[in-house]
Amino acid sequence: NAGVTQTPKFQVLKTGQSMTLQCAQDMNHEYMSWYRQDPGMGLRLIHYSVGAGITDQGEVPNGYNVSRSTTEDFPLRLLSAAPSQTSVYFCASSRLAGGPGLYEQYFGPGTRLTVT
Amino acid sequence: AQTVTQSQPEMSVQEAETVTLSCTYDTSESDYYLFWYKQPPSRQMILVIRQEAYKQQNATENRFSVNFQKAAKSFSLKISDSQLGDAAMYFCAYTSGTYKYIFGTGTRLKVLA
Repeated sequence: NAGVTQTPKFQVLKTGQSMTLQCAQDMNHEYMSWYRQDPGMGLRLIHYSVGAGITDQGEVPNGYNVSRSTTEDFPLRLLSAAPSQTSVYFCASSRLAGGPGLYEQYFGPGTRLTVT
Repeated sequence: AQTVTQSQPEMSVQEAETVTLSCTYDTSESDYYLFWYKQPPSRQMILVIRQEAYKQQNATENRFSVNFQKAAKSFSLKISDSQLGDAAMYFCAYTSGTYKYIFGTGTRLKVLA
């Protein structure tokens, strides 16, 4: 099992450029999420998905799009990059595990994005 | 809305000593889960320990243990016999039984040789 994989590991964009951060999981988890990590802010939820074809907004969704056409893949799209989107991005997948309503999250290795 | 607060941006501990990292949270739920995650320089998020709110007994995992005070909404992490490999960012996290987690801002732990 590769677990949760993310590509690329590092990316530099110019303001206004678009790009897609890739995320894939091979654990057949229904739930997947995207977080961004900024200094002093912890991890904040951008978008999440409860299954193929179903996505919803998290705490900080502006400037990002997602889609979930398969269980395995959950790409994050930046339509027009801005310096405020400079951050480390984590993808996570979740499974129901053990206790009632306990969802265990598995994180990818992260993507460090710099927008100049 | 639920919140998670880590009031210590940075902590230091001497190798082999014990250190406690603090976390408080706010929720109106009665059933929930709390976690401590470790993030070393590699950026990988590693689950250290988990506490179920319906369990009174504090969770332990080897050198890591928690002090869970439900009434005070406090969830601290104790690291005993600290090792150089424990140096990392530590995040406290909460979930009320959904796939959505709320994270604190993190505490950077330095281990001094």
